[in-house]
Order: sequence, then C-alpha cells, then structure tokens
Amino acid sequence: QKEVEQDPGPLSVPEGAIVSLNCTYSNSAFQYFMWYRQYSRKGPELLMYTYSSGNKEDGRFTAQVDKSSKYISLFIRDSQPSDSATYLCAMSENTGGFKTIFGAGTRLFVKA
Amino acid sequence: DTAVSQTPKYLVTQMGNDKSIKCEQNLGHDTMYWYKQDSKKFLKIMFSYNNKELIINETVPNRFSPKSPDKAHLNLHINSLELGDSAVYFCASSPRGGGDTQYFGPGTRLTVL
Repeated sequence: QKEVEQDPGPLSVPEGAIVSLNCTYSNSAFQYFMWYRQYSRKGPELLMYTYSSGNKEDGRFTAQVDKSSKYISLFIRDSQPSDSATYLCAMSENTGGFKTIFGAGTRLFVKA
Repeated sequence: DTAVSQTPKYLVTQMGNDKSIKCEQNLGHDTMYWYKQDSKKFLKIMFSYNNKELIINETVPNRFSPKSPDKAHLNLHINSLELGDSAVYFCASSPRGGGDTQYFGPGTRLTVL
C-alpha cells in the first residue's frame, strides 16, 4: 500500500461545476498537508497549505483535512477552463529533514 | 525573475552516455531537492540537500550523483544512462525542508534512446 493514495482520474466537469479532489494516507504522523497544481509541461506550484486538521479557504479553493479518517480534500467552486491541470496532494511529518510525499496527481479537465 | 531555473530543458541522449542537469535558485532557500516524475505523473523524491549537506538520499541507483557546490546550486549527474531513466526531472527549493512550501523549476525532460 502506498503512503498516499490519489485517484489519477481523469476527471472531466463542465464549467461552473464544483470539483472535489481527494487523497487518503496511511501515516498518522503527517501534519503538513499541501495541494499543488501542475499545468502541462510545467513544474508544480503550491495552491493550498494546511497544518494539522481543519479547513482553509482561499478564493474559490477550500482545503479540508480530517486526520481521524486520514483523508484530505480540495474543493474548487465555480470551476473554470483555466483550472484544467493536474492536482497533486502532498504531505509531510514535519519541516526540516523530513520527506514530502506526493500523491499520484488527479488530472482535471474543465469544459467550457 | 526566475526563482528556480534548470538547464537544459530537454535532453535527448543514447543509452550508456553520461549527462548532467543543472539547477539554481535565487530565493535564498537553504534546502534543495531533485524529484523524478514518470510518465504517469508520479513525483518521487530522489535527493535533498540542506546548506550543501545531503539529508535525504532515497533508493536511487548510484549512477545518480548529486552535487551542491553552494546552497544556491544543486546539480545532478547521471552515469551510464538507461532507457528507464527517461522521465522529467524537477529541481525544487524550500526555506527549510519537509513540510515547507516547495518551489519547483520548469523541469528537464530526459529521453534516453
């Protein structure tokens, strides 16, 4: 079993839809949870960053962490064609000399 | 201003050759990384350096050797290239490491023929 599981998709939605992306993990020591967005032929860039449990909102994006279920989510409201990209969840036990483990990434297509 | 830059962007080479990829960051970060992303988009860490010191060394063949001449640079040298080395290699940096935000370079697309 991988430490971080993420459905690779692809996920195709119409413009304006609410998108839900999810990851599950097995390591209960993870405390830092991140979502990166990667456009085709580009490097990943940080979208959302959460420490421990709870929700975080930034514009159309909401990140949720449920440590009791070892489950994290990213919601995108009013999705736009420009949101079409691969979304990678990532998590780490701590800062410093700890690894960041990435999910496989979910490919999202938003149709105009 | 480019934060994390990599050269070259594309690299096409024959099996058995030796090649290097260079990475530079101008963010003043202490930690730098090399990741390999395969055709299924899975991003896997290879190495991590903090202030020129190796702190993460994943199970990669010893044909791969990182070198950090200073904390702004982390180069990757690959000996005796194999078909399975074909992938996109990303350099990244972060202020400290681990759960910090990482800033990625544009990637180097390596194709081994």
